[in-house]
Formats: sequence, structure tokens, C-alpha cells
Amino acid sequence: EIVLTQSPGTLSLSPGERATLSCRASQSVSSNFLAWYQQKPGQAPRLLIYGASSRATGIPDRFSGSGSGTDFTLSISRLEPEDFAVYYCQQYGRSLYTFGQGTKLEIK
Amino acid sequence: EVQLLESGGNLVQPGGSLRLSCAASGFAFSSYAISWVRQAPGKGLEWVSVIYSGGNSPYYADSVKGRFTMSRDNSKNTLYLQMNSLRAEDTAVYYCARIRGSYWHFDYWGQGTLVTVSS
Repeated sequence: EIVLTQSPGTLSLSPGERATLSCRASQSVSSNFLAWYQQKPGQAPRLLIYGASSRATGIPDRFSGSGSGTDFTLSISRLEPEDFAVYYCQQYGRSLYTFGQGTKLEIK
Repeated sequence: EVQLLESGGNLVQPGGSLRLSCAASGFAFSSYAISWVRQAPGKGLEWVSVIYSGGNSPYYADSVKGRFTMSRDNSKNTLYLQMNSLRAEDTAVYYCARIRGSYWHFDYWGQGTLVTVSS
């Protein structure tokens, strides 16, 4: 089973700043099979990025994904108030799926 | 519009059973793989199970293997999760989520149904 480790656990930033979230895999992950989700309190997760770097429908271009192999990054170029939430990475391999433990992005 | 609507969550005693349903609409249900993902109170997301479009051989997380059974009825556009031998650690909001093939990610999610295992 591939384990995904996200860092930092909590990131405190101000609106307008840039956020960089990390997702590290215990084994190499195909870039096609790495996704990022945003979750706000009381809501279901929302797909942001798939295939490591492709934005989902309706996702603003301030969100971008990058990386390959075991190291992946979600970047938010200029934080808006609605971006403060919990972010999860997710991978697929051999019919099994795993999520990272999440990074909470909070207002500083 | 793609919609997934879970139901069946409830309070159940340890060792008990419960069946969750996920009613799908707005897309060709039989052509998509669907998963269950759960989230314990205050915790992160945990993948539970997946069933592919053919409905054969679902896959399960080790934490539920042998206790949970996932199935689908393509004629009713509905997904099921039969949960037996429930434990306190199964307490969570259970989401069904559609899987987009080729990239194998979850592109649409339901709103979730709460399962509480407690005496």
C-alpha cells in the first residue's frame, strides 16, 4: 500500500499570499493517478486537480499542481478568503486508493 | 446534473449491521466505477471500497475487508454498502463518489450519510 504524507499539517497564511502544500508518496506514483481535493467544514470534498497538474472544471487558475514520482505539490498563487480549508492528496494504484492525512490552511 | 445521494446512516450497536445506499442520477451510472469513502469525526478521508462498471469483484480497504460488501444495481442506478460486524471505529460520515476512469480520481461526491456505532 502506498502511503501519502502531506506537509505541513497546518499552514497559516494571509489572504493574498502564496500557499505551497506538499504530498510525498512512500513509493512512486504515476502522475496520471495523483489528485488534490479541497474540503470545507460540513461539506463533501471537491476535486481541484487530477493527473497531478490538470485543473478540474470550474477551478480557478490560481490553483496549480505539479510533481512526479514521489513528490507532488499543490500551489495557490494568491489566497482568497474562500481558499482557507483542508486539502487532501489522493493516489490510485492496483485498484486501491489512498489519501494523505490532509493539510489545514488557516487564516493567519 | 450529476447527483449522488446517500442514505441509510443510523445509530447501531457494536456488532450490528447496516446497509447504506447511494442513488445516482444525471449520468450513465452503469458506465462508471463508484467508491465509498468515509471520514471519522474530526479526521481525514479514508477510502473504503470500489466497484467497477461491470459490478464484479469489488475491492476493499484492509480495515473493512471481510465485514463490508459493496454491490450495485445498474437497473436502479443505485449503489449499496452492506456493513456487518460494525465497530466503534467504523463511526464516520460515508460518502459515495464517482470515479473518472483513465485518471482514477473522484470527480463527484454525495453529501454523505452518518453512521454511528455505539452502545
